[in-house]
This record gives sequence, C-alpha cells and structure tokens, in this order.
Amino acid sequence: NAGVMQNPRHLVRRRGQEARLRCSPMKGHSHVYWYRQLPEEGLKFMVYLQKENIIDESGMPKERFSAEFPKEGPSILRIQQVVRGDSAAYFCASSEAGTGAGAFFGQGTRLTVV
Amino acid sequence: DQQVKQNSPSLSVQEGRISILNCDYTNSMFDYFLWYKKYPAEGPTFLISISSIKDKNEDGRFTVFLNKSAKHLSLHIVPSQPGDSAVYFCAPSPYNQGGKLIFGQGTELSVKP
Repeated sequence: NAGVMQNPRHLVRRRGQEARLRCSPMKGHSHVYWYRQLPEEGLKFMVYLQKENIIDESGMPKERFSAEFPKEGPSILRIQQVVRGDSAAYFCASSEAGTGAGAFFGQGTRLTVV
Repeated sequence: DQQVKQNSPSLSVQEGRISILNCDYTNSMFDYFLWYKKYPAEGPTFLISISSIKDKNEDGRFTVFLNKSAKHLSLHIVPSQPGDSAVYFCAPSPYNQGGKLIFGQGTELSVKP
C-alpha cells in the first residue's frame, strides 16, 4: 500500500551538474505529474506524463529540463547544467484516471544548487 | 496572470472554533476543486474536493463550499484542532487537461490550544 515514492529526498548539486529526480507512482496509477515549489511560492505545474508519453509540458522551462515516464521503471525529471535558480522542492503526483478528482503527492525532492 | 488566489497568507484560530479558508479563481473552466494540506518538508496531502456541479461537499470536520457565480470557494474546519495547523492550498483542475492542478499561494493556518 505504498504511496508515491520520490528519491532522493535531498539532492545537492554544484552549478553545471545534472540533477535526476525519480518518482514511482502509486500502484495502479498510470498518470504522473511534476510540480515545483520555489521558496515562498505555491506549487507550479511542470509536466504531465503517461507511460511513454508526454501529455502536457506547458510548465516546463524551455531549456535544460526534460521528463520521461518509461514503460518500466519510475518517472524521471532531469535538469541539465543546474543553476542556483533551480533550487526548489520538486513534487511528483500520480492519479489513476487522469482527471481532477484527486492526485496523490510524494514527499518531494529538495534540490539545492551550490 | 494568477488564476487562483488565496488572499490570506495566514490565519490564526482558537482550538474548537471554526476555521474558514478562502479561495478565489478567475478561470471558469475548472471541473474539480481540491484542497491540500501541507506540513513543512512534506508533500501536499489531499484533504477534500468538490465537483463543479455541486455547491457543497462534507467529510467529517471538513466542508467545502463552492459559489460558481462568485468564482469563490471556501474550506470550513470545525471544530479546529492544533493538529490542523499547516499550510492549506486550493488547487482547481481545468477541464480536459488530464488532472493538472493550478495551485493557489496557500494559507498558513495556526490553531492555538
């Protein structure tokens, strides 16, 4: 009965390095969403994926950010050449039906860029 | 271009009294409205939701009211308990966008014993 699992919980990267954030959705859920929370702000939608498909990436920065949800394994949010402004909490959510009836969130990954 | 606004950044309530958290929105194209509760360093926890075709939904101490003509919803917690102290986010979901959520800025509720 595991919930949405994110790892790592904390990630420190130097400027210019790559960050990889993982998310395993709840069992039976095939819809995954990534959100970012910058300091002192609410959560902002980044991307919505189903298995092997990106459905909506309207919230993703145009460069350096990518996401995937392969047929097997967790969803990955990848940030290349990180900058200090990428420091934030990144949350993954999953839902069963891809409707607004309810999505369940993971604990988040706190990325710090030094 | 803020579609969802929670105009009170913080709210302080005495234990046992009612807490009322408000949320205003500008987009008419939301089909579900969700409330999440968040503790520091944790992910948001789903609390309660309401469909756009309803005006009230109740679950234990939590009731959500939706006024579509005013584009306003509120979350009532009664009686409030110290464990309810957290940040509360209003998060509507647009029609036909696959469950994507638009979050408000949050209201930090403090329930004092």
